[in-house]
Amino acid sequence: DIQMTQSPSSLSASAGDRVTITCRASQTITTYLNWYQQKPGKAPKLLIHIASSLQGGVPPRFSGSGSGTEFTLTISSLQPEDFATYYCQQSYSTPWTFGQGTKVEIK
Amino acid sequence: DVQLVESGGGLVQPGGSLRLSCAASGFTFTSYEMNWVRQAPGKGLEWVSYVDGRGITIYYADSVKGRFTISRDNAKNSLSLQMNSLRSEDTGVYYCARGLVESDAFDIWGRGTMVTVSS
Repeated sequence: DIQMTQSPSSLSASAGDRVTITCRASQTITTYLNWYQQKPGKAPKLLIHIASSLQGGVPPRFSGSGSGTEFTLTISSLQPEDFATYYCQQSYSTPWTFGQGTKVEIK
Repeated sequence: DVQLVESGGGLVQPGGSLRLSCAASGFTFTSYEMNWVRQAPGKGLEWVSYVDGRGITIYYADSVKGRFTISRDNAKNSLSLQMNSLRSEDTGVYYCARGLVESDAFDIWGRGTMVTVSS
């Protein structure tokens, strides 16, 4: 199975900050990397797929990059509604696997 | 509106069975692969099972293989997950999620249904 490792596991930031979350795969997944946002008590929401393709309706302050084994999710200017937990997920091969999550909290 | 609505969760004893359902609306159901993803209380996301649009190609996580069965009824726009031999570690919220053919990303999620396995 492909292991996905996110860093950091949590971070504290202020509104307006630039935030970067890293996701590493245990083997190459080319660009089959997806990012989700989950708020407490809610279902996850797809933000980015195929490493850098922004899902419809997602604000452009979210961006994704990377290929192979290393990927990043960047929020260019954190907004109050962005405080949530973020997960990466590989869809290169089954079993599809998720990172452990990164909780973005208010500083 | 594109929508997925899960049902069928509840409390079941270890070793018991439960059948989850997911009703889809607002899109051409047969054009999309479907998945079940679960989340244990306070934990991360775990993919459980996949079925393609025709119901022919099916995959399972090793943790549920041989115990869970995914199926779909395209005439009724519905997805099911038959769960047998349930264990305490199967406890969690089960989400139905639509898959994008081009990337296998999960673009539409239901609100989830809670499954509790406990004596």
